[in-house]
Amino acid sequence: AQSVTQLDSQVPVFEEAPVELRCNYSSSVSVYLFWYVQYPNQGLQLLLKYLSGSTLVKGINGFEAEFNKSQTSFHLRKPSVHISDTAEYFCAVSVPDSSYKLIFGSGTRLLVRP
Amino acid sequence: DGGITQSPKYLFRKEGQNVTLSCEQNLNHDAMYWYRQDPGQGLRLIYYSQIVNDFQKGDIAEGYSVSREKKESFPLTVTSAQKNPTAFYLCASTGQANTGELFFGEGSRLTVL
Repeated sequence: AQSVTQLDSQVPVFEEAPVELRCNYSSSVSVYLFWYVQYPNQGLQLLLKYLSGSTLVKGINGFEAEFNKSQTSFHLRKPSVHISDTAEYFCAVSVPDSSYKLIFGSGTRLLVRP
Repeated sequence: DGGITQSPKYLFRKEGQNVTLSCEQNLNHDAMYWYRQDPGQGLRLIYYSQIVNDFQKGDIAEGYSVSREKKESFPLTVTSAQKNPTAFYLCASTGQANTGELFFGEGSRLTVL
């Protein structure tokens, strides 16, 4: 079975500072990796995904993530955050079978302060 | 525009009542999903369906039921057997071309009074 751990429930950061949101996963088979963002009372929107190939993945809104197989991590980074980045961020994994089920971490709330 | 529509956005229910949440998509996706979201717990899979007239239980199916009579629709019924139904419910869909990326609706917030 697969699992996802997001150790930081909340990350406060000042505007224009860099940020890293941590994600570790557990799986005995290869997985696909995703980061989603959720604004209050809304659905989830895909930020980026890793399927194969280059371990550095670039997404929308200036975010990027690096897949590290040896450390089973997929940390999300942004070099300079904006107030509008304040939201809940979810890391997720799926096994590349026909079900496309996603297994989510518990989420990290990014709070950007002026 | 293509997308996923969930209704109602907010719903209040008395204990002992069943309630049905609607999910409709016009993305021509084969697979549809229902997730439950609680604070601090992320999203947990309730049910999913890969084709019409077929669906499978997820991790927390007890107290819920679904149907998939049409490709576009995947309604979720929260029954009186669900002991703690107050939550935010999210519907999602995907197609074979999307390689695991799920597209989400705006969610339905259910509150049991």
